[in-house]
Amino acid sequence: DVKVTQSSRYLVKRTGEKVFLECVQDMDHENMFWYRQDPGLGLRLIYFSYDVKMKEKGDIPEGYSVSREKKERFSLILESASTNQTSMYLCASSLTWGNQPQHFGDGTRLSIL
Amino acid sequence: RKEVEQDPGPFNVPEGATVAFNCTYSNSASQSFFWYRQDCRKEPKLLMSVYSSGNEDGRFTAQLNRASQYISLLIRDSKLSDSATYLCVVNMRNTNAGKSTFGDGTTLTVKP
Repeated sequence: DVKVTQSSRYLVKRTGEKVFLECVQDMDHENMFWYRQDPGLGLRLIYFSYDVKMKEKGDIPEGYSVSREKKERFSLILESASTNQTSMYLCASSLTWGNQPQHFGDGTRLSIL
Repeated sequence: RKEVEQDPGPFNVPEGATVAFNCTYSNSASQSFFWYRQDCRKEPKLLMSVYSSGNEDGRFTAQLNRASQYISLLIRDSKLSDSATYLCVVNMRNTNAGKSTFGDGTTLTVKP
């Protein structure tokens, strides 16, 4: 089974802090994704990566950056956390592009105070 | 108009009922299709892929209609444990990284 592991289930940070969310997958997947999910807004793509050191903006990249130094690890960085970034953050991975489904981690519930 | 649209529901059905959800997509270049299940405050989990010829997995049947650009999910003999939000997902052809478009989900509640 695919295993996508996110570093924290719950996280509380303060406004202005730099926040790191880590995601690791163990299936040698090429593609990795970061989403946020808010009530009534569905899943929204923040950034994705299709190879090491490659990244592309998703639909809502503002206020975020990412890092993929190794194939198995994809990090999401909130440069200066704000209260409107309080959300559920979901990491996903998939094998290749096209007809492969994405597999999700357990999610991180991030609260910015 | 959203690229992938679902009836948000909620669908409230008794145990044992048959229930069907539809999902429409707007991009005719869509290549592959999936149904996910998401429980409250949990991550989405892959329920099944949707194949052109239709496919079945136990009580669940998925269908694809390319001409009318929709996919469907049929659940027979509903169980209490089927209560969840069901997301349809569409992958477009020729996109980097298998970028997926998610519907907002249909909420199902199965009652005793």
